[in-house]
Amino acid sequence: DAKTTQPPSMDCAEGRAANLPCNHSTISGNEYVYWYRQIHSQGPQYIIHGLKNNETNEMASLIITEDRKSSTLILPHATLRDTAVYYCITSSNDYKLSFGAGTTVTVRA
Amino acid sequence: GAVVSQHPSWVICKSGTSVKIECRSLDFQATTMFWYRQFPKQSLMLMATSNEGSKATYEQGVEKDKFLINHASLTLSTLTVTSAHPEDSSFYICSASGTGGPDTQYFGPGTRLTVL
Repeated sequence: DAKTTQPPSMDCAEGRAANLPCNHSTISGNEYVYWYRQIHSQGPQYIIHGLKNNETNEMASLIITEDRKSSTLILPHATLRDTAVYYCITSSNDYKLSFGAGTTVTVRA
Repeated sequence: GAVVSQHPSWVICKSGTSVKIECRSLDFQATTMFWYRQFPKQSLMLMATSNEGSKATYEQGVEKDKFLINHASLTLSTLTVTSAHPEDSSFYICSASGTGGPDTQYFGPGTRLTVL
């Protein structure tokens, strides 16, 4: 399974865009990049996923580099409710998700 | 859409008793369901993968006789913690996937188990 590297924490200002980086330099060609977030004491919430192309949905945008070795999750207008642990995960061959430590994002007013 | 529920949301039990946790996909058929465990201030750890009608596949180090998983239908999986001990106290979370392929997993809200 590919491993991912994320910064342990980051702060961002309410109303501004939050850019969350993720390194997955050993990702294989058929592995997807998934982003989930977990608000304290809740189950993880799916945000977005992609394979090669950039993706956008109502929650966020996912930018994947051309070599697929890294990606960035963009929350366009962060709110206080976006404070959570964000996980960048690459899927395994049997589609299991291996959660790392994630990035603790704190949105400040 | 893609809602997964868990019941109960929290449970307290005595040491030596068994506890059953239910995971339901409410608006889609879940070919595959996953069970995770999360200890305080740690990340989620996958315990097992279950496919409807098949025996669950357990991750290394997870005792299959202690954590019984049943996935009898496309909308329901259960995790039974048998002979629970205080060290089994944890946050148990299930997820469900519709196709079993590179499909999104949707997570339940989790069940907080406290064993006294």
